[in-house]
Amino acid sequence: GNSVTQMEGPVTLSEEAFLTINCTYTATGYPSLFWYVQYPGEGLQLLLKATKADDKGSNKGFEATYRKETTSFHLEKGSVQVSDSAVYFCALRGYGGSQGNLIFGKGTKLSVKP
Amino acid sequence: EAQVTQNPRYLITVTGKKLTVTCSQNMNHEYMSWYRQDPGLGLRQIYYSMNVEVTDKGDVPEGYKVSRKEKRNFPLILESPSPNQTSLYFCASSYTGDTEAFFGQGTRLTVV
Repeated sequence: GNSVTQMEGPVTLSEEAFLTINCTYTATGYPSLFWYVQYPGEGLQLLLKATKADDKGSNKGFEATYRKETTSFHLEKGSVQVSDSAVYFCALRGYGGSQGNLIFGKGTKLSVKP
Repeated sequence: EAQVTQNPRYLITVTGKKLTVTCSQNMNHEYMSWYRQDPGLGLRQIYYSMNVEVTDKGDVPEGYKVSRKEKRNFPLILESPSPNQTSLYFCASSYTGDTEAFFGQGTRLTVV
């Protein structure tokens, strides 16, 4: 079945450091891929998405490219800020099994120190 | 403002006492679903609904019920809550089953 694997956290970085959070997936067909962010005490917010191979999603300085050949969707940001401290979830969505089910990775907690 | 609204945000209850968590969306979305979030397990889908009067089980449906009598509302019902249902619950909605999902703020449920 479909699954998502993302790097374990927590990740601690200094402000202005480069961020990479790895995400790989297993899926049949052509799923859509997402990164969601959860700030402390809040619900999940969509950060960015990509719906087909080679698409690049971007938002708030974050980027991720849908790589079908490596089944990956790594999240990157060139210069993190303290306000980026949150839990990041990689997710995919496609048909089959629980139709429309968003399959999430376990989440990566990011802490950015001033 | 486009949003998904869950109530209550926090709930402490006793084993066996029926409860309902409400979810409402104002975006005219067809698809709605419920997830639970547990440490080390991430988010898992409980139930989903593709449209009014159409609901189906997700990955962890045991102990839960849902209904979809109106497009905007999708309540989650725990007929006889047990301590293993202590969790953080999220309602989500989207236009269809393969578009981006919008999430509510979450309901933290504790069953003692």
